[in-house]
Amino acid sequence: AQKITQTQPGMFVQEKEAVTLDCTYDTSDPSYGLFWYKQPSSGEMIFLIYQGSYDQQNATEGRYSLNFQKARKSANLVISASQLGDSAMYFCAMRDSLTGNQFYFGTGTSLTVIP
Amino acid sequence: DTGVSQDPRHKITKRGQNVTFRCDPISEHNRLYWYRQTLGQGPEFLTYFQNEAQLEKSRLLSDRFSAERPKGSFSTLEIQRTEQGDSAMYLCASSLARAGNTIYFGEGSWLTVV
Repeated sequence: AQKITQTQPGMFVQEKEAVTLDCTYDTSDPSYGLFWYKQPSSGEMIFLIYQGSYDQQNATEGRYSLNFQKARKSANLVISASQLGDSAMYFCAMRDSLTGNQFYFGTGTSLTVIP
Repeated sequence: DTGVSQDPRHKITKRGQNVTFRCDPISEHNRLYWYRQTLGQGPEFLTYFQNEAQLEKSRLLSDRFSAERPKGSFSTLEIQRTEQGDSAMYLCASSLARAGNTIYFGEGSWLTVV
């Protein structure tokens, strides 16, 4: 079974608007971590935000927030006030004890910010 | 403060040749990972080191692939007798050995096998 599912291959958003990128995950481990990375065309994977399975509050980092719905096993990334520089691929990833020290990544969502 | 650095950034090689990639992790990080990413996919785990010990290897890592981290600092990934299917970006990442700690990636090494 897929560990991480990202169902949106591509998304468009108007500059200054908010956008939500979807991510669902699958694990039977009660202890796990969820991560979002941004990959611009240059190729580098840039860490954005982390959510632990026991964290009571949704993670936030500047314009990024993670909408964590544990019962639904979803960890959507919300980008507020989109900027042209946000255009990139976005990957959701998970690590749990069952995967050891591996990070499992989804197939990514390509975000394009329209001026 | 430097991040994870990889060399070379781009490599074009003929099928059957050997190639080697180098990764220098963030200096205080004792864990080092190699991932492979093909077009349209997310990164796939290849192997990881804690200090100089190679602790996990993916089934993706065939006998033609070997990774080392001899002194627990930089690492090399060698691919012998390259095949066209090896064309991909090879990403290195590092982290501290703490539960839940995130991993930080380098810019990747693009390999094209012709």
